[in-house]
Amino acid sequence: DAGVIQSPRHEVTEMGQEVTLRCKPISGHDYLFWYRQTMMRGLELLIYFNNNVPIDDSGMPEDRFSAKMPNASFSTLKIQPSEPRDSAVYFCASSWSTGGTDTQYFGPGTRLTVL
Amino acid sequence: GDSVTQMEGPVTLSEEAFLTINCTYTATGYPSLFWYVQYPGEGLQLLLKATKADDKGSNKGFEATYRKETTSFHLEKGSVQVSDSAVYFCALTLGSGTYKYIFGTGTRLKVLA
Repeated sequence: DAGVIQSPRHEVTEMGQEVTLRCKPISGHDYLFWYRQTMMRGLELLIYFNNNVPIDDSGMPEDRFSAKMPNASFSTLKIQPSEPRDSAVYFCASSWSTGGTDTQYFGPGTRLTVL
Repeated sequence: GDSVTQMEGPVTLSEEAFLTINCTYTATGYPSLFWYVQYPGEGLQLLLKATKADDKGSNKGFEATYRKETTSFHLEKGSVQVSDSAVYFCALTLGSGTYKYIFGTGTRLKVLA
């Protein structure tokens, strides 16, 4: 399997612009997680889905952030409008509940820079 | 609430030195415990795990034992290599169908040749 795929790997944008991050989980996995990593705050869980349904979005920082999972093989995290403090590395991870393990498999991340 | 506490880094060691990275947790119920590693420029990847008390997880020369009495899951390696330089994260899940992780803040390890 190709693993979790994220795109783009790097994104540089200007304040106020809309940013969309994309994730393709491992085929067959039914959980999908979005994390944000910064030096100041470490690794934060933003939202996670089970069978395409959002289960917990309590980590989403504010209304500028939204996430969707229209099908089992694709999810997006959108920031509109973006702000410099959104600069971070965003990770997507997936896991497989019926496999008897709760291991999460992480993508390579998207490094977002908001100028 | 539930939490994971890791020792502050960075940890700097010479090659072949012994490594210990401390991790303690607070949790209700019976969590599963994990160590993840993040190499520069990459995502996190599972290093080892333990699902019940007294279990020992091991991988690539790293070991950690689930100690319920001390609520700890310390990571150890007998002889580190330069290639072990990375950030190490301790984490737990609360089980019972909960797949949400609680991560520690991470400990950066730097191994010098």
